[in-house]
Amino acid sequence: GESVGLHLPTLSVQEGDNSIINCAYSNSASDYFIWYKQESGKGPQFIIDIRSNMDKRQGQRVTVLLNKTVKHLSLQIAATQPGDSAVYFCAEGNAGNNRKLIWGLGTSLAVNP
Amino acid sequence: EPEVTQTPSHQVTQMGQEVILRCVPISNHLYFYWYRQILGQKVEFLVSFYNNEISEKSEIFDDQFSVERPDGSNFTLKIRSTKLEDSAMYFCASSPRGYNEQFFGPGTRLTVL
Repeated sequence: GESVGLHLPTLSVQEGDNSIINCAYSNSASDYFIWYKQESGKGPQFIIDIRSNMDKRQGQRVTVLLNKTVKHLSLQIAATQPGDSAVYFCAEGNAGNNRKLIWGLGTSLAVNP
Repeated sequence: EPEVTQTPSHQVTQMGQEVILRCVPISNHLYFYWYRQILGQKVEFLVSFYNNEISEKSEIFDDQFSVERPDGSNFTLKIRSTKLEDSAMYFCASSPRGYNEQFFGPGTRLTVL
């Protein structure tokens, strides 16, 4: 079956450190992966996405790594700032599923000043 | 910057009552979605909508649920007879071409008493 899960439900880091948030997925047919950030009381906000024909994609201060061999996805945030404190969700998609996203449980990132 | 809007921000209703949650997607987007998030849990896909019809729905989206795009700008989710377990945050999302990033609204918190 399909499932997306997160290894760590909470992550606490010091301001300025790099953060790594991990995600596992089980559906080999998934070909699109996306990270969302959700601040308290708000809707999910797009961070970065990656397609299965890539293994790395970089954005501003963020990098997503995809390891299809072990069905693992990670989000790296460089120089973590207090404004990065939020819950981070990974989600997977598949063209055969009409573009719906299947979401993981979420990891809460707390940035300590 | 265009954004998805949702109204109301909070809806309180009695069990068995009908509710309509409203969304205004981003104007040039073609794909529309409803998701829900029970407090502290992951985001769950409900339904996707394209070309004025449902393209996919989840097991959650039973006969009590319906969606409509009545006037080319609004996208509504109706729950005919609410149950206690329908209490959740309901997020509307839209996407320009589907499969790409989905832009989420701020959500409607539905409380069923």
